[in-house]
Amino acid sequence: DAGVIQSPRHEVTEMGQEVTLRCKPISGHDYLFWYRQTMMRGLELLIYFNNNVPIDDSGMPEDRFSAKMPNASFSTLKIQPSEPRDSAVYFCASSLLPSGASQETQYFGPGTRLLVL
Amino acid sequence: QKEVEQNSGPLSVPEGAIASLNCTYSDRGSQSFFWYRQYSGKSPELIMFIYSNGDKEDGRFTAQLNKASQYVSLLIRDSQPSDSATYLCAVLSDYKLSFGAGTTVTVRA
Repeated sequence: DAGVIQSPRHEVTEMGQEVTLRCKPISGHDYLFWYRQTMMRGLELLIYFNNNVPIDDSGMPEDRFSAKMPNASFSTLKIQPSEPRDSAVYFCASSLLPSGASQETQYFGPGTRLLVL
Repeated sequence: QKEVEQNSGPLSVPEGAIASLNCTYSDRGSQSFFWYRQYSGKSPELIMFIYSNGDKEDGRFTAQLNKASQYVSLLIRDSQPSDSATYLCAVLSDYKLSFGAGTTVTVRA
């Protein structure tokens, strides 16, 4: 399996622009997670989906952030408008079962490094 | 806010020594505990998970869990230069993982 695929790997944009990050989970995985990692705040869960349905978006920082999962093999995280404080590495992860059940775990994609100028 | 605290690093150990990493968590309802390794510029990868009190060994890695003390640790025996990375403690509550800030380990050859 190719693992979790994310695109783009790097994104540089100007403040106020719309940014769309993309993720393809591992085939057959029912759960998809979006995380953000910064030096100041570490790795934070933004939102997660089960069978394409958003289950918990309490980590989404504000209304400028939105996430969708139109089908089992694709998800997007959108920031509109972007701000310099959104600069971070955004990871997508997927799992077969929610972490903690049996021995399944979350598999992380390579991340998208976002820089908002 | 479910807090996960890790011992501050960086931690520098000579090759062949034992590296000891500690983690405490605030939510007594936490169910499962994970250690992820993250190389610089890379994504986290799972190296150990533990659900029950006591020790769990996997190769050179040993995870220890004490739910009464809300404490989980990771020992790396016979440390190798390839173990140089940041180690993230993660705690599961309500199907969500909360991560610590990480401890950076450097193994000196």
